[in-house]
Amino acid sequence: KAGVTQTPRYLIKTRGQQVTLSCSPISGHRSVSWYQQTPGQGLQFLFEYFSETQRNKGNFPGRFSGRQFSNSRSEMNVSTLELGDSALYLCASSLDSGQNNEQFFGPGTRLTVL
Amino acid sequence: AQSVTQPDIHITVSEGASLELRCNYSYGATPYLFWYVQSPGQGLQLLLKYFSGDTLVQGIKGFEAEFKRSQSSFNLRKPSVHWSDAAEYFCAVGPLNTDKLIFGTGTRLQVFP
Repeated sequence: KAGVTQTPRYLIKTRGQQVTLSCSPISGHRSVSWYQQTPGQGLQFLFEYFSETQRNKGNFPGRFSGRQFSNSRSEMNVSTLELGDSALYLCASSLDSGQNNEQFFGPGTRLTVL
Repeated sequence: AQSVTQPDIHITVSEGASLELRCNYSYGATPYLFWYVQSPGQGLQLLLKYFSGDTLVQGIKGFEAEFKRSQSSFNLRKPSVHWSDAAEYFCAVGPLNTDKLIFGTGTRLQVFP
């Protein structure tokens, strides 16, 4: 069974640009969550999607948005990039929403903003 | 406020030695607690989780953790560390009905031969 895949794995952008990151969950999983990992702030929750609906949102500015498609694949978008958005963005999927279901993490997309 | 504290940023142990990584949490309701491990360039892998019941939880790779409600702690232990255990370890807490996790800042484990 293929794991969670994230594309691209590495990305370099400049300030002011926008970026879209993609996450393909494990087959059959309907819940997808996104996290930002930085050396200074650690791992911070961005969003959770279940059946194309955003169930939870973390404390991030409106420049960060996401969506989930009918096949459970998810994308997150960051507009007007800032230097501080440089981070590893991790996606996790689970069979269903709720902590009784194990979350499986992808390898992440490393975003560098210059 | 909900939070997780991992007081040790970096721990170094010799291969074969025992290990304990500390985790303290602050959570209003019954906590659902997790330990994850992250190797360089990898995502997070779940080591073990605690929902209820027996407060000593067994996980993968020979790890175990003990939930102590009175101390708000969920420390991770391993009796004998292997060189392959070198990685970063994260403690996390989350509510029951969502996938949202609140992570600690992590403990980097270095293992000397």
